[in-house]
Amino acid sequence: AQSVTQLGSHVSVSEGALVLLRCNYSSSVPPYLFWYVQYPNQGLQLLLKYTTGATLVKGINGFEAEFKKSETSFHLTKPSAHMSDAAEYFCAVSPPNDYKLSFGAGTTVTVRA
Amino acid sequence: DAGVIQSPRHEVTEMGQEVTLRCKPISGHDYLFWYRQTMMRGLELLIYFNNNVPIDDSGMPEDRFSAKMPNASFSTLKIQPSEPRDSAVYFCASSSRTFATNEKLFFGSGTQLSVL
Repeated sequence: AQSVTQLGSHVSVSEGALVLLRCNYSSSVPPYLFWYVQYPNQGLQLLLKYTTGATLVKGINGFEAEFKKSETSFHLTKPSAHMSDAAEYFCAVSPPNDYKLSFGAGTTVTVRA
Repeated sequence: DAGVIQSPRHEVTEMGQEVTLRCKPISGHDYLFWYRQTMMRGLELLIYFNNNVPIDDSGMPEDRFSAKMPNASFSTLKIQPSEPRDSAVYFCASSSRTFATNEKLFFGSGTQLSVL
């Protein structure tokens, strides 16, 4: 079985500051890991994903995440926050070659001017 | 492509009424998923289909919920009778067969259901 824990339900950052969203996973098999973003009144959009290979994954809008097997983590970062980054972010995990994503509870990001 | 299309965007109904949510997946996608999002439980997978066949409905909360996919371009999620605790945002998503390795899950904009 797979599960995801997102640390912190709300994160507030200043514009231009580092964004760091934490995600830890539990999986009985090597996982596939994902970050999705949800803007108000919209569906989820994929930011990035890790399946195999390079552990540092770059996604859209300047986000990246690093898979650390020893720490069972997949934290999401962005060096410089923009006002448009205000949204809810979800970490998700699935077994390899499976179609069932398990989502974390989500982290809401607010960006202060 | 117009993306995954869900209707209605908002539904307000009274307890005991039947509710039908609709989804049109992206053309060519052969996997379709129904998710429910609530504050208390987050995003939960209810059921998913492959080539119009339900593969896993273990997330369907109870017999009041049913889902169908009569063809590759249409799916419904029905709640009968509805209860206030069913109030949530229901998302439909679709993906192609290579989802696990190369592709991604495309979500619709959701249906906000309020059961009074």
